[in-house]
Amino acid sequence: DIVMTQSPDSLAVSLGERATINCKSSQSVSYSSNNKNFLAWYQQKPGQPPKLLIYWASARGSGVPDRFSGSGSGTNFTLVISSLQAEDVAVYYCQQYYDSPVTFGQGTKVAIK
Amino acid sequence: QVQLVQSGNEVKKPGASVKVSCRASGYTLTNYGLDWVRQAPGRGLEWMGVINTVTGKTKYADGLQGRVTMTTDTSTNTAYMELRSLTSDDTAVYYCVRGEASGRGHWFDPWGQGTLVTVSS
Repeated sequence: DIVMTQSPDSLAVSLGERATINCKSSQSVSYSSNNKNFLAWYQQKPGQPPKLLIYWASARGSGVPDRFSGSGSGTNFTLVISSLQAEDVAVYYCQQYYDSPVTFGQGTKVAIK
Repeated sequence: QVQLVQSGNEVKKPGASVKVSCRASGYTLTNYGLDWVRQAPGRGLEWMGVINTVTGKTKYADGLQGRVTMTTDTSTNTAYMELRSLTSDDTAVYYCVRGEASGRGHWFDPWGQGTLVTVSS
């Protein structure tokens, strides 16, 4: 199975500041023939199901604010919240869908400093 | 709007079975894949398996083989997940998720609201 490792496990950021979350896969999740990165990001607020933020490593889901951006390729990926808002307090997960079984990172908890 | 509506929370005894339903609204079930993901209390996300909603073919996580069955009823636009021989390790919130096809695996959007299954004697 592909192991997804996120860093850090938690971070605290001041309102309006930038939050950066990293996700590393144990093997490449990029498909060279079509230059696609099989990597998604989700946001889970307390008591709610996860919500899709990013797919194909950098494409924003429907209705997702443009302060959320994803980047990376191969085995290293990043989610950036450019200007943290109070409603962004949540746990964030990365997921690879390159290979079966699909697997998730352990989650990164984002709080307000 | 597109949504997945799951059945209510369940409390089961060890050794029992549970069957969770997931009704799709706002779209036709057979136009997308349907996966199940679970989350133990305070823990991360674990993929359980996927059903091809057209053919009914399934693929399950290795650790659940033999205990889980995923089915669909296209007449009611509903998917089901049955888990047997429950233990306390199966206590979790169970989510059905619409799988977006990528040519390989799925990303998930949207997610059902979740069904808490508690296994306790």
